[in-house]
Amino acid sequence: AQKITQTQPGMFVQEKEAVTLDCTYDTSDPSYGLFWYKQPSSGEMIFLIYQGSYDQQNATEGRYSLNFQKARKSANLVISASQLGDSAMYFCAMREGPIYAGNMLTFGGGTRLMVKP
Amino acid sequence: EAQVTQNPRYLITVTGKKLTVTCSQNMNHEYMSWYRQDPGLGLRQIYYSMNVEVTDKGDVPEGYKVSRKEKRNFPLILESPSPNQTSLYFCASSTMAGENAEAFFGQGTRLTVV
Repeated sequence: AQKITQTQPGMFVQEKEAVTLDCTYDTSDPSYGLFWYKQPSSGEMIFLIYQGSYDQQNATEGRYSLNFQKARKSANLVISASQLGDSAMYFCAMREGPIYAGNMLTFGGGTRLMVKP
Repeated sequence: EAQVTQNPRYLITVTGKKLTVTCSQNMNHEYMSWYRQDPGLGLRQIYYSMNVEVTDKGDVPEGYKVSRKEKRNFPLILESPSPNQTSLYFCASSTMAGENAEAFFGQGTRLTVV
């Protein structure tokens, strides 16, 4: 079974509008971390935001926020006031348990976001 | 500047010709890993290493080898590349922390095997 599912292969958003990128996950581990990465056309992977399974509040980083709904196992990325530079591929990822136990990052298939001027 | 450096950025090779993609990090991270990225599949882990001389298989290790003789370096070796190994490859490093350990990625290596 897919551990991370991103159901939107591609989507458009108008510049200056907010957009939500969906991510659902599957785990039975009570301790896990959720990450979002951005991959612009140049190819590098840029870390955006992190949410821990025990965090009480939704994570925020500037224009990025994470809508974490633990019971529904969803961790959607919200980008407010979209900019042309937000056009990129976005990946949701999860680590189940600590890295020192050998737990890897598992990625979803990605969502390509295109911002229209 | 803290970074993970991969070389080369682009590589075209022929089937069966051994190649090595180098990876080096300057953050003194214990944990290093290799991923491959394919359309619709996201990134999948090939191998990882939790310290010098300690390596283990990820999800898709077939056809690849790694070594970790020094803490900063983690080369990926394709002994006999095949066309199905055409992909975008990333090296990443992290501290040995909890589930919140952020992965720092290299710039990527686009490999084409013909």
